Amino acid sequence: GQNIDQPTEMTATEGAIVQINCTYQTSGFNGLFWYQQHAGEAPTFLSYNVLDGLEEKGRFSSFLSRSKGYSYLLLKELQMKDSASYLCAALDSNYQLIWGAGTKLIIKP
Amino acid sequence: GAVVSQHPSWVICKSGTSVKIECRSLDFQATTMFWYRQFPKQSLMLMATSNEGSKATYEQGVEKDKFLINHASLTLSTLTVTSAHPEDSSFYICSLKGGLEYEQYFGPGTRLTVT
Repeated sequence: GQNIDQPTEMTATEGAIVQINCTYQTSGFNGLFWYQQHAGEAPTFLSYNVLDGLEEKGRFSSFLSRSKGYSYLLLKELQMKDSASYLCAALDSNYQLIWGAGTKLIIKP
Repeated sequence: GAVVSQHPSWVICKSGTSVKIECRSLDFQATTMFWYRQFPKQSLMLMATSNEGSKATYEQGVEKDKFLINHASLTLSTLTVTSAHPEDSSFYICSLKGGLEYEQYFGPGTRLTVT
């Protein structure tokens, strides 16, 4: 079966760095997404990785290891507005998104 | 990216009634749209894939006679929840498929509460 695993909840301090991990098992693989979702709102796109390695985009970076079925989202210089759920989603061989349950990130001052 | 709107953004209805949710692409002609449902503290669950001019493809476990999807044009898809029950209360989100295979653009979502 297809499966995405990520921690349910994480807590970090404003100004710090946090890494949110995601492991995936899918039928075929065409890339991995990270989305941010604030409560009561739709997800917004953060990153897309299809090749191994680290993609940096401002305070956010995303890493992918296809051989390990593993990705992480790295958030630097945390701000209170970063408090949200972060969804990991893998694109399978049919280009269908398989979603993780999301990681709720709580930022404390 | 494409701009997607949903209407209404929230709706309260009585049990047994029907509710229609519209998903519009404001600046992109979308041949494929997706409908998701999200219960509190849970992940997005794909309900169906809607292709313009043809019948929607429903995911396993989703009742096609209860959740009616009409993709009438390249810019509009509708989801009608028929004979709504309290357990249908959820956050419904549409997305449309972009020009590249992996692109999806999400609407702002519609929160449905059935009393």
